[in-house]
Amino acid sequence: DGGITQSPKYLFRKEGQNVTLSCEQNLNHDAMYWYRQDPGQGLRLIYYSQIVNDFQKGDIAEGYSVSREKKESFPLTVTSAQKNPTAFYLCASSRQGANTGELFFGEGSRLTVL
Amino acid sequence: KQEVTQIPAALSVPEGENLVLNCSFTDSAIYNLQWFRQDPGKGLTSLLLIQSSQREQTSGRLNASLDKSSGRSTLYIAASQPGDSATYLCAVDDNAGNMLTFGGGTRLMVKP
Repeated sequence: DGGITQSPKYLFRKEGQNVTLSCEQNLNHDAMYWYRQDPGQGLRLIYYSQIVNDFQKGDIAEGYSVSREKKESFPLTVTSAQKNPTAFYLCASSRQGANTGELFFGEGSRLTVL
Repeated sequence: KQEVTQIPAALSVPEGENLVLNCSFTDSAIYNLQWFRQDPGKGLTSLLLIQSSQREQTSGRLNASLDKSSGRSTLYIAASQPGDSATYLCAVDDNAGNMLTFGGGTRLMVKP
């Protein structure tokens, strides 16, 4: 079945460490997104990519980095510069960008900084 | 900047009741609006997408309406069931290009 796979589901990090969250989709979608969700709050956009080898900052990009070397993959690195990284991270994709269709989400990755 | 608000933040109803969830947005120049469901610790599942030219969309017991001029959308759930318990989020695409703005969600509990 087509879908979006995020891994790992749970991740623990010590302060000062970089971690990378994986996001893979087999929906043949052009656009991919990373969102952060904090308890009781809506989603905030970190980065998005409309096409391979191109990506744009969202509202809260500081302390994060991404790459888009393949259409299917959009990994997110949470760097040590991110001051409050403990959160639930959601990856999503859409056919040609959100303004043309539905957004599909992965199951999320929960990052906890110890 | 677009702001999306969902009221109430939490709602508890008995099984079988019809209910309405509200979503309001500050900039009416939107391209579309989507309603999502999120179960605890899970990702979001798209329920309904309403294009700016549409007034409503229906899927089973769900009906979503859109009034762009007043900056409002409602999600109507008929004959609620315990399985409907989840958080419901709305999001608008405001033509700024590939950036959805999400509301904070309404956490729904349907009691048997």
